[in-house]
Amino acid sequence: GAVVSQHPSRVICKSGTSVKIECRSLDFQATTMFWYRQFPKQSLMLMATSNEGSKATYEQGVEKDKFLINHASLTLSTLTVTSAHPEDSSFYICSARDLRQGADFGGQPQHFGDGTRLSIL
Amino acid sequence: QKEVEQNSGPLSVPEGAIASLNCTYSDRGSQSFFWYRQYSGKSPELIMFIYSNGDKEDGRFTAQLNKASQYVSLLIRDSQPSDSATYLCAVQMGTLTFGKGTMLLVSP
Repeated sequence: GAVVSQHPSRVICKSGTSVKIECRSLDFQATTMFWYRQFPKQSLMLMATSNEGSKATYEQGVEKDKFLINHASLTLSTLTVTSAHPEDSSFYICSARDLRQGADFGGQPQHFGDGTRLSIL
Repeated sequence: QKEVEQNSGPLSVPEGAIASLNCTYSDRGSQSFFWYRQYSGKSPELIMFIYSNGDKEDGRFTAQLNKASQYVSLLIRDSQPSDSATYLCAVQMGTLTFGKGTMLLVSP
């Protein structure tokens, strides 16, 4: 159980293009999903928390107008990188928390999608 | 600032040995602790989670938690070359905060 699907796995596009990445929880419902970015040899950095039916919560320093998040259903969140530039090239990974696992006080494990490697030329 | 610290490694062990990976965290109030394995170019894969002080075993993996010392570790018994990866420690401190990971190399 707890499968998270992310698509596409790789994108190569020109500077100025907008790129949409989809994240789906396949066998469970996820009211909350998370979007991370990982640069080479660095740890995962949380960009934003996606909340079903409401606005996403962005981490400090992440431009909400640059990284548009939509969480329209309990199984789908999308991240759109608008007008992407070479400095946006990175590995973008989504995750979702499976509330069927873990303890009642919260802190259920997050399960990750396979990631999207974005390369902006 | 909330931090999760790991030795970057690489930690090199021979096949069949026990690999010991360590992690410290700054937020004394943290209650949830996770170990993820990340192969190069891939996304993290959950190995174990632990909430209570002591040991938690799952197959070849044992997670150990000491909240008083703010320390969590992962032991891998009978290490295999396929275990070679970067191991990420993650601590729930409000949001989930990741360490930078320890690279493990298991030589045949």
